[in-house]
Amino acid sequence: EVLLVESGGALVQPGGSLRLSCAASGFTFSDYYMSWIRQTPGKGLEWVAIIKQDGSEIYYVDSVKGRFTISRDNAKNSLYLQMDSLRVDDTGVYYCARPPPGIGAFDFWGQGTVVTVSS
Amino acid sequence: ERVLTQSPGTLSLSPGERATLSCRASESVGQSGGIDLLAWYQQKPGQPPRLLIYGASTRATGIPDRFSGGGSGTDFTLTISRLEPEDFAVYFCQQFGGSPPYTFGQGTKVEI
Repeated sequence: EVLLVESGGALVQPGGSLRLSCAASGFTFSDYYMSWIRQTPGKGLEWVAIIKQDGSEIYYVDSVKGRFTISRDNAKNSLYLQMDSLRVDDTGVYYCARPPPGIGAFDFWGQGTVVTVSS
Repeated sequence: ERVLTQSPGTLSLSPGERATLSCRASESVGQSGGIDLLAWYQQKPGQPPRLLIYGASTRATGIPDRFSGGGSGTDFTLTISRLEPEDFAVYFCQQFGGSPPYTFGQGTKVEI
């Protein structure tokens, strides 16, 4: 059974930092691109970042470029999102999700972790 | 950036009725092997989105055949042939073509 379990969400002040983690199991993690997607009150569902199997290709949505860093550790079957310079509009639920090759969609999602940016 | 616009915002129907949801892209969605990379998801409160349809018309594993997807280029539809009580939820379309960002529509709520 494919499982994705996010952790690391918390209440943080504007300008602060958080590191989210996603533990994957039930599939060969190193065979897949992986992605972070968030759901915010302001923008709804928003794709945030994606990383290739070996980390050699990484892409971000413009609103997080220079502030967020996606990474992975294939030995630990884990995906990460380092979030710096957090803003109030980063508040939301953050999901890790798996996009299988060729289908152009995310077939498995974690339950999400809540990030609240507020003073 | 491709913008996806879903309509209507809310669809009020009864169990057993047919639901037709629309998703329009600001430019043609990307393709892979001639297949439009347009997906549909269902989301219920407190849950992550669940993949229903990918490649515009292929049902994901375990999705009942009352769900069907259609369309091409910039105009796509999700049809639920006969609404079951568990189908009342929010539905999102998403495009995965070409280069990022991989955008989502704003959602259509199907309510009783």
